[in-house]
Amino acid sequence: AQKVTQAQTEISVVEKEDVTLDCVYETRDTTYYLFWYKQPPSGELVFLIRRNSFDEQNEISGRYSWNFQKSTSSFNFTITASQVVDSAVYFCALSEANAGGTSYGKLTFGQGTILTVHP
Amino acid sequence: EAGVTQSPTHLIKTRGQQATLRCSPISGHTSVYWYQQALGLGLQFLLWYDEGEERNRGNFPPRFSGRQFPNYSSELNVNALELEDSALYLCASSVGQWGQETQYFGPGTRLLVL
Repeated sequence: AQKVTQAQTEISVVEKEDVTLDCVYETRDTTYYLFWYKQPPSGELVFLIRRNSFDEQNEISGRYSWNFQKSTSSFNFTITASQVVDSAVYFCALSEANAGGTSYGKLTFGQGTILTVHP
Repeated sequence: EAGVTQSPTHLIKTRGQQATLRCSPISGHTSVYWYQQALGLGLQFLLWYDEGEERNRGNFPPRFSGRQFPNYSSELNVNALELEDSALYLCASSVGQWGQETQYFGPGTRLLVL
């Protein structure tokens, strides 16, 4: 069965600090998709990034970067020079797929990491 | 481009009643997904609809049901409401019918059961 673990329940940093949010996943499928979402206090989940299991390239988007390592089943998210606006709950999610790449439509989410950035 | 919209934003019901939640996907998206976010339980997958058909269902009792209309909007119905149904219900949409496309979420409906 698929499972996503975000071991850090809460992280508190001061503005301009770098912060890494950990995500470890479990799946028996060879084809799967990984996601990060941000949930601000308003409640809406905001899509940040998607990664396919066969693409281990790390990605950087502005102050955000993602490190995908299949060997350790991890998909960690780093925010560089954090800002107060980064304060939110961050979710890592996994979507499994069959050999043909067709998914089951279900995202399995981790429990989320509450990030608080203090001015 | 308009995002996923959901109505109502808040809903208060009493135990035993029925609740109906609505979702309009992003234009061009044919798949709609429903999730429940209850305190302490995290985000749980409820249902996936595509082209009017239920494609997958999460581990929820049959009193959670829904449908998708020809215009791809969707309705989630919760019958015989229980106190533990109080949660934020999130709807998401995606293009295509293979289920692996990125899901874009709406603002949610907060359901409170008294």
